[in-house]
Amino acid sequence: ETGVTQTPRHLVMGMTNKKSLKCEQHLGHNAMYWYKQSAKKPLELMFVYNFKEQTENNSVPSRFSPECPNSSHLFLHLHTLQPEDSALYLCASSQERDRGGEKLFFGSGTQLSVL
Amino acid sequence: AQTVTQSQPEMSVQEAETVTLSCTYDTSESDYYLFWYKQPPSRQMILVIRQEAYKQQNATENRFSVNFQKAAKSFSLKISDSQLGDAAMYFCAYRSAWGNQFYFGTGTSLTVIP
Repeated sequence: ETGVTQTPRHLVMGMTNKKSLKCEQHLGHNAMYWYKQSAKKPLELMFVYNFKEQTENNSVPSRFSPECPNSSHLFLHLHTLQPEDSALYLCASSQERDRGGEKLFFGSGTQLSVL
Repeated sequence: AQTVTQSQPEMSVQEAETVTLSCTYDTSESDYYLFWYKQPPSRQMILVIRQEAYKQQNATENRFSVNFQKAAKSFSLKISDSQLGDAAMYFCAYRSAWGNQFYFGTGTSLTVIP
């Protein structure tokens, strides 16, 4: 079993649908992240949770709604998405300490297509 | 905000040869970390190597090594004895010593020719 597991692997949805992406980490880490990966663009940080509390929200549209019920699970709820939201969504985790520099552990991502 | 630039969208290397991937970054901070991540077709990003800015010695991990030039804000990755399994997208990333924010480059697609 990999350290960070994401489901589903692929998702096709219409603009009026509601769906959720799931991420689970088995590493005992205290921080979890959602990133968006689009072709020829740097990874975009969407949300960060430290100790289950959201600490970063990089001006993400409200049609993306994160949920972190505990330090091992992270969800990204999607509703009324736009075609430009089609991308690879990556979940990551890290073990944050007083001083940073810790590496990220990534899942395999969910490839999202919005029709 | 910090920026990370990878000026080589694509690179190729002959199997068993050496290749160097370039990365530059812009920051006013003195304490930070730099990373190279590999993303194979399986899509899972895997850490290749990590460098702490306050360490002058270049990091090495088996066939992978970096050339860290702090004054020039340059952080290149050298892959020696390239193998077919090295074919992937490679991302350079910057992280401040404080906070959770990582800054990634746009990636370099590496092809290994048999």
